[in-house]
Amino acid sequence: NAGVTQTPKFRILKIGQSMTLQCAQDMNHNYMYWYRQDPGMGLKLIYYSVGAGITDKGEVPNGYNVSRSTTEDFPLRLELAAPSQTSVYFCASSYGGGGKNIQYFGAGTRLSVL
Amino acid sequence: EDQVTQSPEALRLQEGESSSLNCSYTVSGLRGLFWYRQDPGKGPEFLFTLYSAGEEKEKERLKATLTKKESFLHITAPKPEDSATYLCAVQGSGNQFYFGTGTSLTVIP
Repeated sequence: NAGVTQTPKFRILKIGQSMTLQCAQDMNHNYMYWYRQDPGMGLKLIYYSVGAGITDKGEVPNGYNVSRSTTEDFPLRLELAAPSQTSVYFCASSYGGGGKNIQYFGAGTRLSVL
Repeated sequence: EDQVTQSPEALRLQEGESSSLNCSYTVSGLRGLFWYRQDPGKGPEFLFTLYSAGEEKEKERLKATLTKKESFLHITAPKPEDSATYLCAVQGSGNQFYFGTGTSLTVIP
């Protein structure tokens, strides 16, 4: 059972470039999330989705876009990369029902924007 | 605004020396408080969920407790393999989660 799979694991971007971080889960979870983790800052929610076709902003959505066309996949798009987007990005998923909202995380994507 | 504060930021313990990590929170309509363990270079791994004041959960050397304002993660007789960063998160009335900055635990043999 793969759980939550993120690709790529590492990436270096130049300022102004675009890229998509991929996230897939095989647990049939309704809810999916994107976080960024900066040193000493904790995990900050970027976007989340409660089901296919439904997405909503988190705490720090500026500079990012998401889509959710299937239950399994939740890609995160960076359109014009900036140095402030250098971070570790984690995708998570949860069942989302009944308040027992345990999140399962992927291994992360380490992104540097130079 | 929902907020989570963890203390201490870092903790060094001798093997076998018990201690506690603190997570204080302010949230409207707590739906759950979650503890995660994060090893270097990896994603957070779920440990416990607590839903109401007075609730306790245990797993091996770890015990999590919850009051109306804070949660404690008690570590009894820790071993070097317990070294990790421990994260606390809360879910309020909405669908969002708020994480603390974590406590980095080092257990010295």
